Amino acid sequence: GAVVSQHPSWVICKSGTSVKIECRSLDFQATTMFWYRQFPKQSLMLMATSNEGSKATYEQGVEKDKFLINHASLTLSTLTVTSAHPEDSSFYICSASGRGGNTEAFFGQGTRLTVV
Amino acid sequence: AQTVTQSQPEMSVQEAETVTLSCTYDTSESDYYLFWYKQPPSRQMILVIRQEAYKQQNATENRFSVNFQKAAKSFSLKISDSQLGDAAMYFCAYRSAGFEMRFGAGTRLTVKP
Repeated sequence: GAVVSQHPSWVICKSGTSVKIECRSLDFQATTMFWYRQFPKQSLMLMATSNEGSKATYEQGVEKDKFLINHASLTLSTLTVTSAHPEDSSFYICSASGRGGNTEAFFGQGTRLTVV
Repeated sequence: AQTVTQSQPEMSVQEAETVTLSCTYDTSESDYYLFWYKQPPSRQMILVIRQEAYKQQNATENRFSVNFQKAAKSFSLKISDSQLGDAAMYFCAYRSAGFEMRFGAGTRLTVKP
């Protein structure tokens, strides 16, 4: 299958700072990228869907100003957690998909964010 | 919004035996796709099997097969000849033609030697 690289794998940041997570599709054009948040022993909660060149569509309850998503190219999407607080600590996973709803979504390795 | 329900938080199976994981979903769409993903302790999501809603034939992938009942909105996963490496969290997922993918709560599968 195609490869999606997510970086960093883990990050620790101080409360009040911002942190950026990158999601890259290495061998295909990702027209759509998804960002998920996963709490311990829970499922993946969709945060937002982004199409290349367009503004991201956020799920209800997800703060757009806190979780900034950029999908400026067909191979890169970024999630920036602004003014992070301890409650933002979580596991964040991106997935990328090519054209067509029947295409498989490939997942990054995930990023464990800890805000201290 | 579409919802995906996995009613079995935990399942256990003896090695070499067969186990079935349940999944139901709610949608008003006619065109959609269903997936089973496996998440081992590494937390990397791995696609196990997928099913297109327009296909009547159930998908199979080696030891993994599905029972897709479109009218009942049911999509169960059967794992035959279970192996120790099958132990993981299993998530059922629904993807609409609008592309967003939503997951069920997951089922933790334990394989006993």
